[in-house]
Amino acid sequence: GNSVTQMEGPVTLSEEAFLTINCTYTATGYPSLFWYVQYPGEGLQLLLKATKADDKGSNKGFEATYRKETTSFHLEKGSVQVSDSAVYFCALSGDFNKFYFGSGTKLNVKP
Amino acid sequence: EPEVTQTPSHQVTQMGQEVILRCVPISNHLYFYWYRQILGQKVEFLVSFYNNEISEKSEIFDDQFSVERPDGSNFTLKIRSTKLEDSAMYFCANRVGTEAFFGQGTRLTVV
Repeated sequence: GNSVTQMEGPVTLSEEAFLTINCTYTATGYPSLFWYVQYPGEGLQLLLKATKADDKGSNKGFEATYRKETTSFHLEKGSVQVSDSAVYFCALSGDFNKFYFGSGTKLNVKP
Repeated sequence: EPEVTQTPSHQVTQMGQEVILRCVPISNHLYFYWYRQILGQKVEFLVSFYNNEISEKSEIFDDQFSVERPDGSNFTLKIRSTKLEDSAMYFCANRVGTEAFFGQGTRLTVV
């Protein structure tokens, strides 16, 4: 079946630190992979996506590469800001399938 | 970015009462989901709805839940007799291609 596992939080970093949030998946077929972000009190916003192996999704300084050989889609950012404080969800979906979400990782960035 | 609109943003209801949560989808996109998120926890799949029919539902989506498209535009989730454990954020999402666009959510509080 399909599932997503992401690292437990919270992750606490100082401003300008390097961020990695690990995400691994199991899937049948060839799913698309996503990172969603949820700011406090808000809904889920698509941060980036990758639709096939070796694709790199990127947005707002965040990046993630679809690694089929390690079934991973780790989220990275070179220099985090206080405004990046949020909960980050890794997700996958096949064609016309539901989205499977990881448990979320809370990121706290301190000035 | 396409926008999915949910109403109300917050609803408080007494246990045993019926609630209807509403979602206005992105025009001409017929694939919807409902998800819920109990405070601070995982985003859980409830139901997917394609072309006016339920295409998949989870174990959570029992006989107390129903989903409809009553007037050809809005999309509703009804909970017939709410329980305390139904308190959560409820998100609808519209699939556009490989992506899902989420509404801002309805916070349901059952007292």
